[in-house]
Amino acid sequence: SQTIHQWPATLVQPVGSPLSLECTVEGTSNPNLYWYRQAAGRGLQLLFYSVGIGQISSEVPQNLSASRPQDRQFILSSKKLLLSDSGFYLCAWSYGSSYEQYFGPGTRLTVT
Amino acid sequence: GESVGLHLPTLSVQEGDNSIINCAYSNSASDYFIWYKQESGKGPQFIIDIRSNMDKRQGQRVTVLLNKTVKHLSLQIAATQPGDSAVYFCAENNNDMRFGAGTRLTVKP
Repeated sequence: SQTIHQWPATLVQPVGSPLSLECTVEGTSNPNLYWYRQAAGRGLQLLFYSVGIGQISSEVPQNLSASRPQDRQFILSSKKLLLSDSGFYLCAWSYGSSYEQYFGPGTRLTVT
Repeated sequence: GESVGLHLPTLSVQEGDNSIINCAYSNSASDYFIWYKQESGKGPQFIIDIRSNMDKRQGQRVTVLLNKTVKHLSLQIAATQPGDSAVYFCAENNNDMRFGAGTRLTVKP
């Protein structure tokens, strides 16, 4: 069966510090991968998606970036965090042309 | 612009009662819809989906109804249990998935 992992589960970082969140998927190959941010009381905002290694599409301009160094690894990064980067970050995967997305447990990021 | 939204931000029901959570969508071209359940501090969990060529789909204790005429989606939970307490949100697909903010369901014992 497929599983998706995210770490860390929680993170508190000062403004201006770098960020690296990791997501890995097990039990499948060539997944579509997604990074979302969920602000309190708001819907999921798609940040990045990837259909293959090294292929990243950005949905919104921001100080975040994403990379996919391996087939089942998706990384969300920032060089300098802003207060507005605080939120709940979710990684998700889907397969092929299926619309259904499966979510990881999320990372709670607090920028202080 | 196109958006997915919910009629009510919170819903409180008695244990054993049926729950109905509503969702309005504005993009008539959306062809696929999903309901997710999200417990506090966790990632969303798929509950049930429905394609636009269907009006109703049933799962275990859950039913999704789609009214394309008024662009309305609902999730019905039968015999609501304390473990059903969570935020429920809908998502629609039209080239990409768009997610609503969610309704918080609280089940009173």
